[in-house]
Amino acid sequence: QVQLQESGPGLVKPSQTLSLTCTVSGGSISSGGYYWNWIRQHPGKGLEWIGYIYYSGSTYYNPSLKSRVTISVDTSKNQFSLKLSSGTAADTAVYYCARLSRRGYDSFDYWGQGTLVTVSS
Amino acid sequence: SSELTQDPAVSVALGQTVTITCQGDSLRTYHASWYQQKPGQAPVLVIYGKNSRPSGIPDRFSGSSSGNTASLTITGAQAEDEADYYCNSRDTSGNHLVFGGGTKLTVL
Repeated sequence: QVQLQESGPGLVKPSQTLSLTCTVSGGSISSGGYYWNWIRQHPGKGLEWIGYIYYSGSTYYNPSLKSRVTISVDTSKNQFSLKLSSGTAADTAVYYCARLSRRGYDSFDYWGQGTLVTVSS
Repeated sequence: SSELTQDPAVSVALGQTVTITCQGDSLRTYHASWYQQKPGQAPVLVIYGKNSRPSGIPDRFSGSSSGNTASLTITGAQAEDEADYYCNSRDTSGNHLVFGGGTKLTVL
């Protein structure tokens, strides 16, 4: 059973970089056909796709966040990470990591529990 | 286009059938997947592809698609189905992913 777990600071000061890591267990991050995603949810709002990375390092980002987002992967640790620069209060959200399966049709088949990040001084 | 549009709220009487829709240009090319989210919990995949359910998802959940609209149908809605439902698909470029705004389902 694949499990994903987000970790990182729950409080970030404005203008600083938000950094989170997702640790994958129960499966290899290097398995083909799976893409590793970050998704966020502002309080009381809907889901927003941030971007994904393949184990090879190729990435795609939400165009609205692209200038501030970096997603990286560490296959040796079975982890992938998110960096969102120049944080503002608008980045306060629950951040989820999730696996996108492209073995057949697209589906986010495994999710982390989510972690709340607050951007505030 | 990068938008998927859902009705904000839908209600259904206990035991009745309800359909939640998702509209967007990209759905003419790509299939939608559907997620159920209950308060304080991570989303859960309920339907993907043409009409596939992950193991553990009741068969009262089904999916369909026509033109630019994808639909999630719950046949015989139960109290535990009360939740927010989100559709997801690729955008028209095929490179990015997008979620619908979500539909809050109330079971009366």
